[in-house]
This record gives sequence, C-alpha cells and structure tokens, in this order.
Amino acid sequence: DAGITQSPRYKITETGRQVTLMCHQTWSHSYMFWYRQDLGHGLRLIYYSAAADITDKGEVPDGYVVSRSKTENFPLTLESATRSQTSVYFCASRAFFRGTEAFFGQGTRLTVV
Amino acid sequence: AQKITQTQPGMFVQEKEAVTLDCTYDTSDQSYGLFWYKQPSSGEMIFLIYQGSYDEQNATEGRYSLNFQKARKSANLVISASQLGDSAMYFCAMREGNTGNQFYFGTGTSLTVIP
Repeated sequence: DAGITQSPRYKITETGRQVTLMCHQTWSHSYMFWYRQDLGHGLRLIYYSAAADITDKGEVPDGYVVSRSKTENFPLTLESATRSQTSVYFCASRAFFRGTEAFFGQGTRLTVV
Repeated sequence: AQKITQTQPGMFVQEKEAVTLDCTYDTSDQSYGLFWYKQPSSGEMIFLIYQGSYDEQNATEGRYSLNFQKARKSANLVISASQLGDSAMYFCAMREGNTGNQFYFGTGTSLTVIP
C-alpha cells in the first residue's frame, strides 16, 4: 500500500525492555521524523532524518535511538523503556521541497508498565 | 522558548458559525513555513493548510483560511461555516529554514462544534 505505515499500532512492554517501533514510507521522501504526543505537550520531535544515513536529534531524544539505512525505513528504538516513555508515537515524512507538508503514520500507542 | 504557541486549549463554536484558532510562532529565519493539522478523535493527523513566509496572500483551502500576520508572527486558522465534523484537535506547526529539517508543533487547540 502506498503511504506511510507504522507498526505495531499498539504495544505494551515492561520497564527496562528494548522495543522498536517501525516506520515505512513508499514515497521516497527525503525527510522522516519521529514525534511523541502527550497531553498538554502537543507533538514533540524526537529525531529526524534528512536522508539515508543522516539523522539528528530533535527536542526530546534522550532514551531513544534511530537508524536509517534505507530511505523508506526509519525505526525508533527505546533501548531501555521507562514509564515516562508511555506515549503515542507518530512517524512522519515529507518531500524535500519547502512548501510540502509532512504526512503522518497512524501512530503507535506504547504503554510501558 | 516555545517555537509555536497555541494559547487556546479548548474552543467552542456554534454550528455554521466561523471560528478563529490562534497560533503565534518564534523564529529568526527569513524562510519558514506554517502549517495547520487536524486530529480527530480517531487519532490520524490530517494536513489542512500551508502558508510560506514569502507568500503575500493569505492561504485558503475551502472553508479553511490562514490569517498570516508576519510582523506579529501570527498564523491564525479561520474555519468558516463550522460543521459537526470539525470537532477535533487542531495543531499549528512550523518548518524552519530552507530545508525543513526541523518541524515544530504547538500544544494544540481542542475545538468542539455545538449543534
């Protein structure tokens, strides 16, 4: 299917476990982003990537790791999950051109118990 | 400092009336873009409208228009003729710089349309 897809949609994990959230886009967009959405904070940027093998930190990167070996994939790993990382995670992508909007995945609701 | 500020946590509007959702932004870049997204209760993020910093005309998309006041650094969303389906969270966002590596969001405004 064309578009941007995230998996899983829902995940419950235990404190201290490693968990990876997947993101895949079919448009060959240059830019990809990971956000977390928490009540009262809107969407906060965790990491972003301008191209394959180019990633950089956003506003709240601590506790997260990303990689982008292929243009279409941008997985987000929580190395040792904490309860404060319970959130809804959105992956997004956008094309290089200035006026283009970001397209979002459906979101992953992660609960750390 | 907050890049995007949305000061209205919740708004109510009567069906068929117009409503303005406020957004102010903070950037020292000359080139930037402003976006509005809608998030219904189902959770997906839906792009509504875009305004470039060099655009002289206010952007419009159907019932949505963006009231862009550059000197005041505000980019308010106006929804005309509100419909029940407009009830949702609305987020203002900004792309800074020419390449758009950073894409910042506000905290959102929850709009409820009353029949």
